[in-house]
Amino acid sequence: QVQLQESGPGLVKPSETLSLTCVVSGGSLSSYYWSWIRQSPGKGLEWIGYSYYTTTINYNPSLKSRVTFSVDTSKNQFSLNLTSVTAADAAIYYCAKARFRNSGFDSWGQGTLVTVSS
Amino acid sequence: DIQMTQSPSSLSASVGDRVTITCRTSQYINSYLNWYQQKPGKAPKLLIYAASTLQSGVPSRFSGSGSGTDFSLTISSLEPEDFATYYCQQSDNTLYTFGQGTKVEIK
Repeated sequence: QVQLQESGPGLVKPSETLSLTCVVSGGSLSSYYWSWIRQSPGKGLEWIGYSYYTTTINYNPSLKSRVTFSVDTSKNQFSLNLTSVTAADAAIYYCAKARFRNSGFDSWGQGTLVTVSS
Repeated sequence: DIQMTQSPSSLSASVGDRVTITCRTSQYINSYLNWYQQKPGKAPKLLIYAASTLQSGVPSRFSGSGSGTDFSLTISSLEPEDFATYYCQQSDNTLYTFGQGTKVEIK
């Protein structure tokens, strides 16, 4: 049973960089598709991007200029950096796993709330 | 982007009722349509993938159907624990997109 756990600061200042980490247990980052997804009252559920086999990364074009994923297989964790945040980036951020590219997200972290405020 | 339109946005139903939620996509997506259930304060939970395949552990009262651009999720007999918000999501295009949700409330 794969388990995911997000961590990171709950408060980020406008224009700064949001950094979150997802620690994975019970599954290898060298398999499956590992995504970041966020949810806000205004935009609903929004897929941010995925990492596959640690070398293939696909970002949502609407965020691509500000997003960077990194994967650390030694710690079995993957991370999200989102630069130049604004109030529109305030959301609950989830990490999630899909077995195949088309198969849906079958495991999710509990989510971490990120507030953007000075 | 593939736009997802769910209907209704909310509904009221009683325990034992049969409930159907629909999802329409702006482009043909084969059968790459997934359904999730979300309860307050929790992450979404995958119920059905590939339009009609029940995720392991999900009760058989949940079923999905459809292909192309029109899909539906049916709960054959509502249980108290089914009151939640349901989302569809397409995985045909790797710019994954979600519907806006359907909230199922107690009548």
